[in-house]
Amino acid sequence: DAKTTQPPSMDCAEGRAANLPCNHSTISGNEYVYWYRQIHSQGPQYIIHGLKNNETNEMASLIITEDRKSSTLILPHATLRDTAVYYCIVRPISGAGSYQLTFGKGTKLSVIP
Amino acid sequence: NAGVTQTPKFQVLKTGQSMTLQCAQDMNHEYMSWYRQDPGMGLRLIHYSVGAGITDQGEVPNGYNVSRSTTEDFPLRLLSAAPSQTSVYFCASTQGSSGANVLTFGAGSRLTVL
Repeated sequence: DAKTTQPPSMDCAEGRAANLPCNHSTISGNEYVYWYRQIHSQGPQYIIHGLKNNETNEMASLIITEDRKSSTLILPHATLRDTAVYYCIVRPISGAGSYQLTFGKGTKLSVIP
Repeated sequence: NAGVTQTPKFQVLKTGQSMTLQCAQDMNHEYMSWYRQDPGMGLRLIHYSVGAGITDQGEVPNGYNVSRSTTEDFPLRLLSAAPSQTSVYFCASTQGSSGANVLTFGAGSRLTVL
């Protein structure tokens, strides 16, 4: 079973920030938080990952709470091309489980013109 | 650098037929894996390989065979296709065993079994 809980769907106005929440209350200190997205049944696309600290790259920002039990993916200026299913995934740092990703159902983000 | 390449993109089979889905990566990644995705669901792991000559089962291995004779290629074989295997199949690869290494996915192969 997936170790994360996400809302099934969200809407965001084009040009506004999209904030996607994820609950991972059973995460251990040896697990990353990963975010992928899937646009219209294409292959999943990596967005960002983090362990304890907040992270930012050219696509998004990842905010992880101090207790690490939840996180938020932020798309700063959503465009229509950001409409996709977003997956929050907990992944071990090392060991056999670190090779793979366990997907839940994700959040369907719809960016509205 | 093409990344992860899957062929074919679309395939229709009749029940009982066999076929092979091809996956190739040009990033010299050690680890490769196959997932399937059913409508409205997340991806589920079928089989994976941690290097040439080494394969293991994932969450839903029944009905599928794999082998890894080279670092680059990881084919998925359906020996006797069933309608329950109608799905979209994704191949992924990553370098090494660290959870910090990003998995790269192919574009997918859509299989319909009649």
